[in-house]
Amino acid sequence: GAGVSQSPSNKVTEKGKDVELRCDPISGHTALYWYRQRLGQGLEFLIYFQGNSAPDKSGLPSDRFSAERTGESVSTLTIQRTQQEDSAVYLCASSPGRRTFGSGTRLTVV
Amino acid sequence: RKEVEQDPGPFNVPEGATVAFNCTYSNSASQSFFWYRQDCRKEPKLLMSVYSSGNEDGRFTAQLNRASQYISLLIRDSKLSDSATYLCVVIPSGGSYIPTFGRGTSLIVHP
Repeated sequence: GAGVSQSPSNKVTEKGKDVELRCDPISGHTALYWYRQRLGQGLEFLIYFQGNSAPDKSGLPSDRFSAERTGESVSTLTIQRTQQEDSAVYLCASSPGRRTFGSGTRLTVV
Repeated sequence: RKEVEQDPGPFNVPEGATVAFNCTYSNSASQSFFWYRQDCRKEPKLLMSVYSSGNEDGRFTAQLNRASQYISLLIRDSKLSDSATYLCVVIPSGGSYIPTFGRGTSLIVHP
């Protein structure tokens, strides 16, 4: 596709459930980033994939968070045992060139 | 000190006004700088890169001051459609190309 695609666009889940968020980067983009943005806050870096290199997971807030990426394609961000503080918009971006963001997944944990 | 700091605002200006935002960064070795724009409940979109010599794109001018470690964004002849949050983005040198975002400065342009 022409842009970064994220799904689902909205997700409401019960506390304690696991969720999986998906990001389809722009074709050919080797770098992929996940960020989290809480309401009224800035973007918080979570994880960075660059080609086949080991990902930089330094931003993941806890071991409940994990992410995978196969080659230079789709990435999934998994949050286990969701908590209310996980409620946020999860944004994915890919590059090189201008870093283009997807429209995000709005996660609400109730 | 936070890596990237911005005045959250809001800056409330009338149409036609000139407004400027600053953004300070803590890592003196930072190599790349950008301004992004984020509309309410939308994803950030690249507004412009910031070059050492300063650069202009229409009504928007970006400047970098490495000595004082800040970048600026100047908007001339503000339009209602300029109302948004402006995010400062800094990329460090030294192998990690992870952009660090400021919290953003909110701009409200009113009639």
